[in-house]
Amino acid sequence: ETGVTQTPRHLVMGMTNKKSLKCEQHLGHNAMYWYKQSAKKPLELMFVYSLEERVENNSVPSRFSPECPNSSHLFLHLHTLQPEDSALYLCASSPGTSGDPSEQFFGPGTRLTVL
Amino acid sequence: GQNIDQPTEMTATEGAIVQINCTYQTSGFNGLFWYQQHAGEAPTFLSYNVLDGLEEKGRFSSFLSRSKGYSYLLLKELQMKDSASYLCAVLDSNYQLIWGAGTKLIIKP
Repeated sequence: ETGVTQTPRHLVMGMTNKKSLKCEQHLGHNAMYWYKQSAKKPLELMFVYSLEERVENNSVPSRFSPECPNSSHLFLHLHTLQPEDSALYLCASSPGTSGDPSEQFFGPGTRLTVL
Repeated sequence: GQNIDQPTEMTATEGAIVQINCTYQTSGFNGLFWYQQHAGEAPTFLSYNVLDGLEEKGRFSSFLSRSKGYSYLLLKELQMKDSASYLCAVLDSNYQLIWGAGTKLIIKP
């Protein structure tokens, strides 16, 4: 595998379910990001990890819980979601640490539908 | 507040030239990015401008004017595969990326 991979690619879940999204980067990067992309809206930054430490949490509801066990892996744990959480969830990585203006490399995303 | 504006949708003809504009108001500026995103796929990096002027990269060019808070992406010799959304994003003073909603470009034969 090369680049940034995400699993699953599609997920349908009920509001009472617990699920996790997985992201893996094979680029040796130091920073990883979770974004939410809704139709016709700007990308919303959810979480940033730099060298496995969370450096940014943009007032995301607690029903979203990130985990970064090492510099190559990032998880987003989902619990008691709402229908308005349905969106494309994108993972990205960048070479530098937080504060470095380097380009971000995106995974293909997980299309999440909450029923 | 911080704001990035770009047109929602544009249509152009194969072989022609199209310019996609982006205006921004942000707290500080550490560069502007353009990304391309095909439907159902990941955004991919196109360009990064931090100084005023035009950067050319093959059929794509990106221009920046910091004093005007303005950038454009110029696509020449349009091909059908250029049909995609084009995302403008500004790196603010905290090195956080502020994203526009994207411009959907439709190429017609």
